[in-house]
Amino acid sequence: EIVLTQSPTTMAASPGEKVTLTCRASSSVSYMHWYQQRSGTSPKLWIYETSKLASGVPNRFSGSGSGTSYSLTINSMETEDAATYYCQQGSSYPPTFGGGTKLELK
Amino acid sequence: QVRLKESGPRLVQPSQTLSVTCTVSGFSVTSYHVSWVRQPPGKGLEWVGAIWKGGSTDYNSALKSRLSISRDTSKNQVFLKMNSLQTDDTGTYYCAKHGRAGGFDYWGQGVMVTVSS
Repeated sequence: EIVLTQSPTTMAASPGEKVTLTCRASSSVSYMHWYQQRSGTSPKLWIYETSKLASGVPNRFSGSGSGTSYSLTINSMETEDAATYYCQQGSSYPPTFGGGTKLELK
Repeated sequence: QVRLKESGPRLVQPSQTLSVTCTVSGFSVTSYHVSWVRQPPGKGLEWVGAIWKGGSTDYNSALKSRLSISRDTSKNQVFLKMNSLQTDDTGTYYCAKHGRAGGFDYWGQGVMVTVSS
């Protein structure tokens, strides 16, 4: 089973600040997906296949990476971006999730 | 449009069986895989198992002995059954449609299940 490690676990960012969340895999994966989960709601697919934005996701978000190292970047933090973000790999069975990064507004 | 909705009991006694139904619309369970994912309160996401579009199933190895996933294609429903529940099975259970490259593109609202006597 591939273990995904996200860092940091928690962080706070000010409006307008650039934010980078990372996800490291214990073995190489072909793609990484990212989900946003706001408190009390179900996860939403946010970035798929490493760098493709899901429908409705603002273009201040981007994703990149390959092999064992992936990242999600917010170009300019906005209030509505405060949430928990999870990475997930589906290229190796079983599908696994990272532990999440809680992003707070400073 | 694509929708998934979980239904089931909110409270289950220890050692009893959990039964949750996922009713989908906007797609056919014979055309797309559907997974179950759970989330303990305040914690992360855990893949529970899947029913593939062809009808076969796969389960999280840690839960396999207690799990059963099935479907009713005429009603476009997927079912999760987990027996011998313990308190650490408490959490929100989601069903999710598989998208591209093993991701989950649509999720249900989830059902919060508490295991307690």
